[in-house]
Amino acid sequence: EDQVTQSPEALRLQEGESSSLNCSYTVSGLRGLFWYRQDPGKGPEFLFTLYSAGEEKEKERLKATLTKKESFLHITAPKPEDSATYLCAVRSNAGNMLTFGGGTRLMVKP
Amino acid sequence: DAGVIQSPRHEVTEMGQEVTLRCKPISGHDYLFWYRQTMMRGLELLIYFNNNVPIDDSGMPEDRFSAKMPNASFSTLKIQPSEPRDSAVYFCASKTRAGTEAFFGQGTRLTVV
Repeated sequence: EDQVTQSPEALRLQEGESSSLNCSYTVSGLRGLFWYRQDPGKGPEFLFTLYSAGEEKEKERLKATLTKKESFLHITAPKPEDSATYLCAVRSNAGNMLTFGGGTRLMVKP
Repeated sequence: DAGVIQSPRHEVTEMGQEVTLRCKPISGHDYLFWYRQTMMRGLELLIYFNNNVPIDDSGMPEDRFSAKMPNASFSTLKIQPSEPRDSAVYFCASKTRAGTEAFFGQGTRLTVV
């Protein structure tokens, strides 16, 4: 059974204070690791897909990296508008569905 | 494209009543997913369809839950009878056969009192 664990559950940062979110996974044949952003009252919004260890993707202040056991979402010099819940999910050889972690709620204070 | 469209956005119903949630996927997408989100359990897959055919419904919690996809542009999730523990946000998502990421709707917040 695929499993995804995210840490920390919540993270408070000052504006400009860089940090990283962790996503640990156990999966039978990784076919993709996904990062989503979710704002209150809205559906998850796609950010990145990573497929193999060593791969990195960037978008504005966010950079996602992948190893064989975990992924990190690095946030550089965050702004208050980066405040959201960040969700990690995996797709395995078992099928086309995504298995999600519990998310990390990020709060960036000005 | 308007994205995945769900209705209603909010639903409040009494225990024992039938509830129907609706979803219109993105045009051209072959896969449709129904997820449920709660504070305790996070996002859980309930069922997904490929070309209107249910592929995996192992996440459907009980026989009270049923889902249909009569055509490529419409799906329903029905709960009959509803119970207070069904209160959650229900999301619909769709993706293309070749594409990888799924696109989510805004969700339906269901409250059963």
